[in-house]
Amino acid sequence: AQSVAQPEDQVNVAEGNPLTVKCTYSVSGNPYLFWYVQYPNRGLQFLLKYITGDNLVKGSYGFEAEFNKSQTSFHLKKPSALVSDSALYFCAVRENTGGFKTIFGAGTRLFVKA
Amino acid sequence: NAGVTQTPKFQVLKTGQSMTLQCAQDMNHNSMYWYRQDPGMGLRLIYYSASEGTTDKGEVPNGYNVSRLNKREFSLRLESAAPSQTSVYFCASSIDPGSYNSPLHFGNGTRLTVT
Repeated sequence: AQSVAQPEDQVNVAEGNPLTVKCTYSVSGNPYLFWYVQYPNRGLQFLLKYITGDNLVKGSYGFEAEFNKSQTSFHLKKPSALVSDSALYFCAVRENTGGFKTIFGAGTRLFVKA
Repeated sequence: NAGVTQTPKFQVLKTGQSMTLQCAQDMNHNSMYWYRQDPGMGLRLIYYSASEGTTDKGEVPNGYNVSRLNKREFSLRLESAAPSQTSVYFCASSIDPGSYNSPLHFGNGTRLTVT
């Protein structure tokens, strides 16, 4: 069964500092990985995705993610955090065994302090 | 562009009451999904519809039913609400069930409280 783990409930970072939100996954076959962001009282918004190819994926709002096959990780990164980046972040894996389900991690809350 | 629209935004039910959550998308997507979000548990799939005319159970289907009314609309029904169904419900859509890299597009959610 496919699964996603986000080991940190919360990440705190100062504005201007780099940020990393961690994600590890377990899949059979090729992974289709996604990051979503959720702002208060809103639905999730797509940030970026990994298909195959480059291990560094660039997405919206200056975010990027690093895919590491040997460590089965897909960590979200940003070189310089903004206060407005404060939100709930979800890592997700798309089922690739003939089904259509997306499995989500539990989420990591990011606080960026001014 | 409305995207995915959910109604109502908020609802309070008493145990045993029924209600239907409505969802419509205007992106001509084939697949639609219902998730519930609970603190510390991420999003869990209740039901999905890979294409018009089909529906399938997700991880947590008990206590729910769905109807794919047409390509645009996918409703979720609670026949006899229970306090365990207190949650935030999200509808989502994606363009193509066969395209594994197509992202989900979410509505803004329905916050349901069952007393």
